[in-house]
Amino acid sequence: AQSVSQHNHHVILSEAASLELGCNYSYGGTVNLFWYVQYPGQHLQLLLKYFSGDPLVKGIKGFEAEFIKSKFSFNLRKPSVQWSDTAEYFCAVNPSRRSGAGSYQLTFGKGTKLSVIP
Amino acid sequence: DAGVIQSPRHEVTEMGQEVTLRCKPISGHDYLFWYRQTMMRGLELLIYFNNNVPIDDSGMPEDRFSAKMPNASFSTLKIQPSEPRDSAVYFCASSTKRITVNTQYFGPGTRLTVL
Repeated sequence: AQSVSQHNHHVILSEAASLELGCNYSYGGTVNLFWYVQYPGQHLQLLLKYFSGDPLVKGIKGFEAEFIKSKFSFNLRKPSVQWSDTAEYFCAVNPSRRSGAGSYQLTFGKGTKLSVIP
Repeated sequence: DAGVIQSPRHEVTEMGQEVTLRCKPISGHDYLFWYRQTMMRGLELLIYFNNNVPIDDSGMPEDRFSAKMPNASFSTLKIQPSEPRDSAVYFCASSTKRITVNTQYFGPGTRLTVL
């Protein structure tokens, strides 16, 4: 079974600082990768996703993530954070249907809380 | 589109009572997922349906939990009897393979407190 590790539980940054949140997964086959964001008191929203092609994926609100297959990583980045980015960020993975063993289940990491100080 | 709709948004009940959570997926979506979110365990998949049929319920914690999907636009998650350790936020999500493989859209969640 696949698993997802998010190494940072809580990250505190000042506005305009750069952000990188780590995500590593364990699965031997082809995967689909996702980042979801949960603003305080709200539901999860899709930030960006990777299925195939260019490993550098751009999402909403200036976020991007890079899939590095050799490192089993899909780190989330943003060059300059804003107070409104304060939220919890979840990385998720599911085996790609293209691999023949795919499913529609997502496995989520434990999440990383981001607090941005004005 | 209204998105995934869940009700109630908040539920407070006493131990031993029956609790029913409701979900309406996005119209046209043929996959429906139930998740539970707690501080200790994060976001866990409980069960998911495809075309109203339960596909994998291995995440359902025990027999006190049951889920149904009587039609394409409605699903319930029932806990009977409820216990304090069931306190959590329960999310419903839906998706369809016809548009984008497995991009799941989440509802606002039901915050359950069992006293």
